[in-house]
Amino acid sequence: KNEVEQSPQNLTAQEGEFITINCSYSVGISALHWLQQHPGGGIVSLFMLSSGKKKHGRLIATINIQEKHSSLHITASHPRDSAVYICAVSAETSGSRLTFGEGTQLTVNP
Amino acid sequence: NAGVMQNPRHLVRRRGQEARLRCSPMKGHSHVYWYRQLPEEGLKFMVYLQKENIIDESGMPKERFSAEFPKEGPSILRIQQVVRGDSAAYFCASSRNGGRINEKLFFGSGTQLSVL
Repeated sequence: KNEVEQSPQNLTAQEGEFITINCSYSVGISALHWLQQHPGGGIVSLFMLSSGKKKHGRLIATINIQEKHSSLHITASHPRDSAVYICAVSAETSGSRLTFGEGTQLTVNP
Repeated sequence: NAGVMQNPRHLVRRRGQEARLRCSPMKGHSHVYWYRQLPEEGLKFMVYLQKENIIDESGMPKERFSAEFPKEGPSILRIQQVVRGDSAAYFCASSRNGGRINEKLFFGSGTQLSVL
């Protein structure tokens, strides 16, 4: 079992839909990161959080430390949101070194 | 303020050759991380370096791979005698304060290594 698991693996949505991507982890963490990987391969850090909720534009990330679970939400999805979304954790014992989920391929159709 | 710069963007090598991948961290960042993304797989940690020191190399293959981050110049990930299984995207990330102080990481665009 991977230390970080994401669901779903693939997600197709229509433009405007509300999207949720889930991440569960099995280790104690100091922080959880949500990353976006564009079709060209570049990686952008969207959020880093250790508790509660963060919002940036149409993106919202939440984390429940007790349940070892995080969600990434996209409101009013747009085709330009199509990308791979990756959850990664910094384990308590590994400092800033990240352990990654397998990623969720999101496709938003117009 | 330029972001994390990786070069080359694409690198083609024949089996047995050496591959050198470069990463210049963001200005003011002294912590560098290398990650590898094999085809159809997720990202995996390789090595964590701070200026002139290797802090954690637990993700590095035991042979043929080495990394350095000299006092001056970029971090280098070196792969000797490449094999087809080394074909992957190699990403570098940097941070200002590594270790147990969690902060946002900034990623480079990656180097796609193809071994013929």
